[in-house]
Amino acid sequence: GAVVSQHPSRVICKSGTSVKIECRSLDFQATTMFWYRQFPKQSLMLMATSNEGSKATYEQGVEKDKFLINHASLTLSTLTVTSAHPEDSSFYICSASVLGPSNEQFFGPGTRLTVL
Amino acid sequence: QKEVEQNSGPLSVPEGAIASLNCTYSDRGSQSFFWYRQYSGKSPELIMSIYSNGDKEDGRFTAQLNKASQYVSLLIRDSQPSDSATYLCAAGGGADGLTFGKGTHLIIQP
Repeated sequence: GAVVSQHPSRVICKSGTSVKIECRSLDFQATTMFWYRQFPKQSLMLMATSNEGSKATYEQGVEKDKFLINHASLTLSTLTVTSAHPEDSSFYICSASVLGPSNEQFFGPGTRLTVL
Repeated sequence: QKEVEQNSGPLSVPEGAIASLNCTYSDRGSQSFFWYRQYSGKSPELIMSIYSNGDKEDGRFTAQLNKASQYVSLLIRDSQPSDSATYLCAAGGGADGLTFGKGTHLIIQP
């Protein structure tokens, strides 16, 4: 149980284009989904917290107009990188959690974004 | 600013020995602590979670938490070459996202 999928796993795009990444909880309903970004040889950095039916909460320094998050259902959250630039190239990882005593987050396999 | 600090390593341990990984955290309000293993190019994989002071054992892994010292550790017994990876310590969870340390690169020498 507790499987989270991401699509696509890898994407290469030209500078200025927009890229959408999907995150799905396959066998549970996630009350909250999180988006992280990891640059090479760095740790995961939380970008935003997404709750179904409400606006995402962005971490300091993350541009909400550039990284659009939609959380339309309890099993799906999307991250759209708008007008991507080479500095946006990174490993984007989502996670999903269910409110409860364990506070565990279940991570998706990640999406490698390369902007040319 | 919530911070989680780890020694980046690399930490080199002979096969069969005990690997000891440590981290400290800054937010005294943190209630949940996690150790993740991450292989290069892959997503983190949960190894252990710990919520109360003391030790928690699961197979070859033991997590230790000391809230007074704001210190979390992970012991890996009988280390195997397949344990070679980057180990991420994280604090937080629930409605909040996780704050990760930069990770400790562990190398198990055959």
